[in-house]
Amino acid sequence: DTAVSQTPKYLVTQMGNDKSIKCEQNLGHDTMYWYKQDSKKFLKIMFSYNNKELIINETVPNRFSPKSPDKAHLNLHINSLELGDSAVYFCASSQGTGGREPQHFGDGTRLSIL
Amino acid sequence: GENVEQHPSTLSVQEGDSAVIKCTYSDSASNYFPWYKQELGKGPQLIIDIRSNVGEKKDQRIAVTLNKTAKHFSLHITETQPEDSAVYFCAASRMNTGFQKLVFGTGTRLLVSP
Repeated sequence: DTAVSQTPKYLVTQMGNDKSIKCEQNLGHDTMYWYKQDSKKFLKIMFSYNNKELIINETVPNRFSPKSPDKAHLNLHINSLELGDSAVYFCASSQGTGGREPQHFGDGTRLSIL
Repeated sequence: GENVEQHPSTLSVQEGDSAVIKCTYSDSASNYFPWYKQELGKGPQLIIDIRSNVGEKKDQRIAVTLNKTAKHFSLHITETQPEDSAVYFCAASRMNTGFQKLVFGTGTRLLVSP
């Protein structure tokens, strides 16, 4: 009965590779997010989608491309991975256009770039 | 943009003591203030939230206070238990291009010793 699930949990890859992270929520929420948590635990929003439409796009390199095939899924594709991309990436969801309703987080994808 | 400062970065208490974590925010338009608990290897979990029209909210051993004039809010945990040990994040929500987004504090690592 997992609410927000992300795959994979761990991702180890080489610099320059392309990788994808998938997220699914079964809460019936219409807004989903990607956050990045760095090694100092700082949590920062990257993207937000509402009903498959991009509503928040922070200053994230173009190498990061989110895709929402439907409102229950939000994937993140990363091209040409760099050392600085090493972090934990969290998917979250909420009801409404976000920000004033509780956000529910997945358990994260730990990305390590060699 | 919004900036959320959180103190202390580390807090050690004895079981049964109280713990207080403080946050300040910069944007007077922020109107929603959630607190999240993150255990090792897990995603942040909402533990309590408060909206700008309320000054205090309690849920069993946890309480949050909000001072809009001073732009600060605090988390109070009473009768701490070892299972309260985790990293706690405050956040503030502000409008961003028509949608609201959460800005997180830098986190407080709470250690409760038996």
